[in-house]
Amino acid sequence: DTGVSQDPRHKITKRGQNVTFRCDPISEHNRLYWYRQTLGQGPEFLTYFQNEAQLEKSRLLSDRFSAERPKGSFSTLEIQRTEQGDSAMYLCASSPSGTSYNEQFFGPGTRLTVL
Amino acid sequence: DAKTTQPNSMESNEEEPVHLPCNHSTISGTDYIHWYRQLPSQGPEYVIHGLTSNVNNRMASLAIAEDRKSSTLILHRATLRDAAVYYCILESNFGNEKLTFGTGTRLTIIP
Repeated sequence: DTGVSQDPRHKITKRGQNVTFRCDPISEHNRLYWYRQTLGQGPEFLTYFQNEAQLEKSRLLSDRFSAERPKGSFSTLEIQRTEQGDSAMYLCASSPSGTSYNEQFFGPGTRLTVL
Repeated sequence: DAKTTQPNSMESNEEEPVHLPCNHSTISGTDYIHWYRQLPSQGPEYVIHGLTSNVNNRMASLAIAEDRKSSTLILHRATLRDAAVYYCILESNFGNEKLTFGTGTRLTIIP
């Protein structure tokens, strides 16, 4: 297994368009997380899945954002009616359950630019 | 979430030890101390974690103060590849799954 993968790596879109990002976690990792990172800041938590169940959502996740993990494997993050403020790096991470600590494995991220 | 305080930036010479400090005066008894780092154009990667005792692994050492209100990440012999932003993060072991990143310390390695 080569780690967490994300697709696409870069996305440029016009304001008002919808975009969808995909994350493939490490095999057999039950937990999957989405974070957003803007320039000069640390990543900010968006949402978290345990298998297919979305267990926590940040207030940062407005109603234009939706995340799914339908079969408990890969996940998608969709942003509808994109705004310039959505420009950021979107990071996905996964971790196994049943460990005594929460080491998260991050993907390379998808950089979104909204024009 | 308990907060951490780190210097914005540090510099170190290549092949010398680096001590990265973190203050967490409001830490609770159940909080683990995690360190992650983010290399340029990459996602963060786990470095080390600890609860009360000092910890060593192949990447680094973590020295935790006796009162747990501060900790220090030690890179024993810095290389150019260690240039990154280093994040000190507290995480409760009571199922608080998200990691709360601050702005971290940007470490520059001088050849």
